[in-house]
Amino acid sequence: RKEVEQDPGPFNVPEGATVAFNCTYSNSASQSFFWYRQDCRKEPKLLMSVYSSGNEDGRFTAQLNRASQYISLLIRDSKLSDSATYLCAVNRKGANNLFFGTGTRLTVIP
Amino acid sequence: GAGVSQSPSNKVTEKGKDVELRCDPISGHTALYWYRQSLGQGLEFLIYFQGNSAPDKSGLPSDRFSAERTGGSVSTLTIQRTQQEDSAVYLCASSLGGQGREQYFGPGTRLTVT
Repeated sequence: RKEVEQDPGPFNVPEGATVAFNCTYSNSASQSFFWYRQDCRKEPKLLMSVYSSGNEDGRFTAQLNRASQYISLLIRDSKLSDSATYLCAVNRKGANNLFFGTGTRLTVIP
Repeated sequence: GAGVSQSPSNKVTEKGKDVELRCDPISGHTALYWYRQSLGQGLEFLIYFQGNSAPDKSGLPSDRFSAERTGGSVSTLTIQRTQQEDSAVYLCASSLGGQGREQYFGPGTRLTVT
């Protein structure tokens, strides 16, 4: 079983819509969680860390559900510029690296 | 401030040749990571450096791959006797401290082995 799994999409949504992605992780010892954004042929850019209590940054809200072992990203009032691939990343106790999902592709349509 | 830089941005090499990829992390970041990303695939961890500790080489796919980090800053990833399956984008990241901290990526080196 993969360490981190995401629905690859694509998600095609109109401007102004609200869209949510989930990402499941398999190891209960996972301790740090992140969302990255990756544009085509670019490097991943850190979007936000995910805290146990949930956190919000403008139109973006991240949640962690430890019981069900998933994290989520909610984007409100989608903009054309939000079109990208969203990667979730997880660090687990005893590992130095992040484990990445393969990403969810979002396209926001005018 | 300056982010992670990598060079070259693109490298085309013939099968069997050796290549060196360079990474300059964010100033003050003690941890440095190498990952690679193949077309349509997730990021695959290769190697991790933290301060003066022995590197975590657990992700290196074969003994043709090696990396070093000099003076706690710049790192080079070397691939010997390149194979076509080595074609990928090689990404370097750095973080303040190790395990669990936010990682910031460089622009990557796109390696094509012909």
